[in-house]
Amino acid sequence: NAGVTQTPKFRVLKTGQSMTLLCAQDMNHEYMYWYRQDPGMGLRLIHYSVGEGTTAKGEVPDGYNVSRLKKQNFLLGLESAAPSQTSVYFCATRLADYEQYFGPGTRLTVT
Amino acid sequence: AQSVTQLDSQVPVFEEAPVELRCNYSSSVSVYLFWYVQYPNQGLQLLLKYLSGSTLVKGINGFEAEFNKSQTSFHLRKPSVHISDTAEYFCAVSTLTTAGNKLTFGGGTRVLVKP
Repeated sequence: NAGVTQTPKFRVLKTGQSMTLLCAQDMNHEYMYWYRQDPGMGLRLIHYSVGEGTTAKGEVPDGYNVSRLKKQNFLLGLESAAPSQTSVYFCATRLADYEQYFGPGTRLTVT
Repeated sequence: AQSVTQLDSQVPVFEEAPVELRCNYSSSVSVYLFWYVQYPNQGLQLLLKYLSGSTLVKGINGFEAEFNKSQTSFHLRKPSVHISDTAEYFCAVSTLTTAGNKLTFGGGTRVLVKP
């Protein structure tokens, strides 16, 4: 039981390049979330999904897209990376009682 | 919409001394409250949560928090810290009416335990 895994762990992009971050869970949870973490700002929600085939915008969705084609996977895409997207990205799933279970994170640098 | 304020961005504390991390929230409806800990280069781990019932909540690693509705606070305490408690701590809130059961996080408090 791996819980929540994130791929890749680290990535460096040049401005304008695209990439996809993968979040995978083996806990059969319906709800999944993508956050970004920046110093002094805590975690801010980018997009979330309440089930397979559904997605919704969070607090800071601009510049990102997501897809949830399979229940166990939640993909976060950057179509044209910008230096402002340099951050640590966390995926989470929702357990019972509103608690969220977090993955280990992806550190992205955009130069 | 709800919001969370963590009043201290950094808290230095000596080993075996007590520590209190302050968290205030704003919401027009009943809340669910959480404290998470993030050790260096790791993801977030749940310390404790308040959903209902007793306002004093005990969590892992000797931490506890008290929900104070009148002061809209959920402060985290530990009576005696260890070096291993050096980490960043996040307070978070959600509500029954929040779409997608989203969490709103505070900005975090970095705790540095000194020997």
